[in-house]
Amino acid sequence: AQSVTQLGSHVSVSEGALVLLRCNYSSSVPPYLFWYVQYPNQGLQLLLKYTSAATLVKGINGFEAEFKKSETSFHLTKPSAHMSDAAGYFCAVSESGGSNYKLTFGKGTLLTVNP
Amino acid sequence: DGGITQSPKYLFRKEGQNVTLSCEQNLNHDAMYWYRQDPGQGLRLIYYSQIVNDFQKGDIAEGYSVSREKKESFPLTVTSAQKNPTAFYLCASRLAAGTDTQYFGPGTRLTVL
Repeated sequence: AQSVTQLGSHVSVSEGALVLLRCNYSSSVPPYLFWYVQYPNQGLQLLLKYTSAATLVKGINGFEAEFKKSETSFHLTKPSAHMSDAAGYFCAVSESGGSNYKLTFGKGTLLTVNP
Repeated sequence: DGGITQSPKYLFRKEGQNVTLSCEQNLNHDAMYWYRQDPGQGLRLIYYSQIVNDFQKGDIAEGYSVSREKKESFPLTVTSAQKNPTAFYLCASRLAAGTDTQYFGPGTRLTVL
């Protein structure tokens, strides 16, 4: 069974500050890992994904994440927060090599950006 | 424009009524998924389908039903057996076997009065 833990249901940063959103996973097989962003009352948009290639993954809007197998982590970072980054962020895991690619989501982190 | 459409965006129903949520995609994707989102709970998988005329239960299928008669359509029925149906419902699709990324529709917010 796979699971995802996102530390911090709510993170608040100042505009221009570093954004760090934490994600730890549990998986019995090598995982595929995803970060999605959700703006209010909208669907989810893919930010980036890790599928066993480079461990440092770059995504859209200046975000990146690093896969650390020894720490079972896939934390999301952005060097300088912008007001438009305020949204919900969800980390998800699926099993590589599986046939149905079911995603298991964390409970999400709401990012607030203060002017 | 290619994409996933969900209708309606907001839906109100009386307790005890069945209601069907629409999900249509014109991406020619094989697999489709339904998720439920509650505040502070993340997304939970209700049903998924990898090919036409076949679907599997997810983690919280009780009180829901689906059909997959056409590749582009995967409607979800919330039945009166669902004890707490008020939630945000998200549909997603994935291209084909061997591809890993799910793409999401805009969602339907269901409120049961």
